[in-house]
Amino acid sequence: EAGVAQSPRYKIIEKRQSVAFWCNPISGHATLYWYQQILGQGPKLLIQFQNNGVVDDSQLPKDRFSAERLKGVDSTLKIQPAKLEDSAVYLCASSFSGRNTDTQYFGPGTRLTVL
Amino acid sequence: SQQGEEDPQALSIQEGENATMNCSYKTSINNLQWYRQNSGRGLVHLILIRSNEREKHSGRLRVTLDTSKKSSSLLITASRAADTASYFCATDGDSNYQLIWGAGTKLIIKP
Repeated sequence: EAGVAQSPRYKIIEKRQSVAFWCNPISGHATLYWYQQILGQGPKLLIQFQNNGVVDDSQLPKDRFSAERLKGVDSTLKIQPAKLEDSAVYLCASSFSGRNTDTQYFGPGTRLTVL
Repeated sequence: SQQGEEDPQALSIQEGENATMNCSYKTSINNLQWYRQNSGRGLVHLILIRSNEREKHSGRLRVTLDTSKKSSSLLITASRAADTASYFCATDGDSNYQLIWGAGTKLIIKP
């Protein structure tokens, strides 16, 4: 079974530039998550999709971050404009139904460095 | 918001020894999960324990849950170099769809 795919793996940008990350979840998984993980901390949920609808985006900085999940499969997360404090690893995960008893399967992450 | 807090923040032991790390949480839960994160395999689910369970085993892993103390422990027996990783607990939040993560315990296994 193919895992969660993410690209790019690494990205370095200047502050105020924009960046986009892509995620392809495990086939058949209804729920897709985007997390931000700052060095030395646990993952912080940015947004959770159930199929192509948003379940939770309460911690997404909506003035600069946006995400979409077209057709309930792939998803993109965009930051525009980036700030220094956005330097982090962005993890995408998927689960079968989205219930908190489900196992979440994570991609390798995108390491973003904002200079 | 952070629900689970792992303790210790970092742990270094010799290969072959047992490693114990703890997770404390603030509000009542229905279930608690442990995940491992290393550079090779990323973040991987280890085990889930429900609030009506006191102990679960999976291979060399043993997880206990004490709901009266709002704490859980993860024991890794006969540690190996491959166990070097950060270990996170994650608890359910206010809804059936929310998972809240702790800051993790960094475990180093010395050869």
